[in-house]
Amino acid sequence: AQKVTQAQTEISVVEKEDVTLDCVYETRDTTYYLFWYKQPPSGELVFLIRRNSFDEQNEISGRYSWNFQKSTSSFNFTITASQVVDSAVYFCALSALTGANNLFFGTGTRLTVIP
Amino acid sequence: DSGVTQTPKHLITATGQRVTLRCSPRSGDLSVYWYQQSLDQGLQFLIQYYNGEERAKGNILERFSAQQFPDLHSELNLSSLELGDSALYFCASSLSSGSVYGYTFGSGTRLTVV
Repeated sequence: AQKVTQAQTEISVVEKEDVTLDCVYETRDTTYYLFWYKQPPSGELVFLIRRNSFDEQNEISGRYSWNFQKSTSSFNFTITASQVVDSAVYFCALSALTGANNLFFGTGTRLTVIP
Repeated sequence: DSGVTQTPKHLITATGQRVTLRCSPRSGDLSVYWYQQSLDQGLQFLIQYYNGEERAKGNILERFSAQQFPDLHSELNLSSLELGDSALYFCASSLSSGSVYGYTFGSGTRLTVV
């Protein structure tokens, strides 16, 4: 079975602070994919990143970076120098090649960036 | 604009009623997925269609049904509505049947049952 845990329900930071959102996953598959989605107050779900289980290289995209560690089954997301526009709910998701063929989402972390 | 179109954006209806939510996938995508996002349940997978055929079923209630039409748009039918069905319903699409490339989500339909 697949499972994604986002233990942080809500986080508040002051603008320009760095913040890390945690994601821990469970799967018995050796091939799987991990995702992060952003849900701003407007409600839509915006794709941020996809990683496959064979690529543990960290990725950086502007102020966003992702740390994938298979040893701890974690795929954490860091926002550097946070901005008010980063305020949103962030979801981590998992897709495996076997089993139910869909994305399993964590419960999300609500990030509030205070100006 | 993600390319996935959901209508209507908002819907208010009474308990016991039936509603239909509509989704047009991104051009070229063959798979359509429906998700329900409620406050206490998070994002729950309901059902998937691929090129007109049902491919996977999640936590979809018997009162709910869906279909995908030849032009690939999909409809989610919710009947005998209860207060607990109030939620944000998302449609997503992908090119293939699998989820390994992730999905493109629509902006959702917010259903309020009163």
